[in-house]
Amino acid sequence: NAGVTQTPKFQVLKTGQSMTLQCAQDMNHEYMSWYRQDPGMGLRLIHYSVGAGITDQGEVPNGYNVSRSTTEDFPLRLLSAAPSQTSVYFCASSPLLSGGNTGELFFGEGSRLTVL
Amino acid sequence: KQEVTQIPAALSVPEGENLVLNCSFTDSAIYNLQWFRQDPGKGLTSLLLIQSSQREQTSGRLNASLDKSSGRSTLYIAASQPGDSATYLCAVRRSWSLGAQKLVFGQGTRLTINP
Repeated sequence: NAGVTQTPKFQVLKTGQSMTLQCAQDMNHEYMSWYRQDPGMGLRLIHYSVGAGITDQGEVPNGYNVSRSTTEDFPLRLLSAAPSQTSVYFCASSPLLSGGNTGELFFGEGSRLTVL
Repeated sequence: KQEVTQIPAALSVPEGENLVLNCSFTDSAIYNLQWFRQDPGKGLTSLLLIQSSQREQTSGRLNASLDKSSGRSTLYIAASQPGDSATYLCAVRRSWSLGAQKLVFGQGTRLTINP
């Protein structure tokens, strides 16, 4: 029962470097999303997708890109890392229900990113 | 804009007590509400999902209630155990028809059960 798998678990970057956080789910969920969790700020939505080829912005999309070429994978790209992007990143997925609503959300274990 | 508040931010109780965690939200037009637990350094684990048409959901020693009209949900934990120590978060989701497709999270309640 893999569920939602994120890699890497830990990463240290220098300012200006780029990288991709990987997320894969094996539950055939249409909806996938990326959150960042910061002390005192709670969880904030970065980007989400309701199916292959369909993505949209969340609350804090600047500095991040996403794509969804398959149902299973939803990578998050940092184009030019900044210290403000130091955070814990969570990928989550859920089924899409009738009317386009989302069901129970399942989270990965998180990726802890430090930007120096 | 939907805001979700969880009070208290931290709670410490002795083992065996029954306890209630609170979650309040400002916009009652929700589709569902979900309770999670998060252990230190870990991801979020779903505990209970309540649809807007439901009043409560139960799973083992956990019972979650929902009162949309007052904008409140409670998570009741019976016979608490040290293994229940974690941060508990609630999150509300608006209906897709209202144009939002995201969860709004509370800040969480950090629960410590003392042996």
